[in-house]
Amino acid sequence: QITLKESGPTLVKPTQTLTLTCTFSGFSVTTTGEGVGWFRQPPGKALEWLALLYWDDGERYSPSLSSRLTITQDTSKNQVVLTMTNMDPVDTATYYCAHKEISMDIFDFWGQGTLVTVSS
Amino acid sequence: DIQMTQSPSSVSASVGDTVTITCRASQGFSSWLAWYQQKPGKAPTLLIYGASTLQSGVPSRFSGSGSGTDYTLTISRLQPEDFATYYCQQAARFPLTFGGGTKVDSK
Repeated sequence: QITLKESGPTLVKPTQTLTLTCTFSGFSVTTTGEGVGWFRQPPGKALEWLALLYWDDGERYSPSLSSRLTITQDTSKNQVVLTMTNMDPVDTATYYCAHKEISMDIFDFWGQGTLVTVSS
Repeated sequence: DIQMTQSPSSVSASVGDTVTITCRASQGFSSWLAWYQQKPGKAPTLLIYGASTLQSGVPSRFSGSGSGTDYTLTISRLQPEDFATYYCQQAARFPLTFGGGTKVDSK
């Protein structure tokens, strides 16, 4: 059974760096085909893809945010970490991590999400 | 980027109705498309991938079709638990992109 859960601060100040952790179980991100993605959803708005980490350490980022994002993994802890620098109030959103389906870049299991508010 | 345009943005329907949601891509691709359902305050759940393959555990009243630039999600015999927002996502090219969502609410 695959589960994922996001953790991190609920409130960050403008210009600060956000660090979110996705702790998962039921799969290994080092197994061929596996991956973990990060997404966000501002209140009342649509989903937005942010980053994707593949089993082979490959990384992909949203071009509009790539200069601010880093995705890494800690295989010993079954965690994938997303950092986003220079946070702004427009980055206020619920952030989700999700498990990538084996055969294509779609996402079959999602964490519950964590709301991050950016405010001074 | 491949832009995904969903229509309608909202639809009012009754239990038992058939609802059809469309996703149009700005560039064509071959079936690398998923549909998700999202209820208020909850994470999305995967309904369909590969444009037409039903995810395990998803009721058969959900179906998907399409290719190229036009994709469709159909909900037959709408049930009370189907009132939600639905999103399409293309997986053909990076960046991965979602449609703007379609809210299905009760008439």
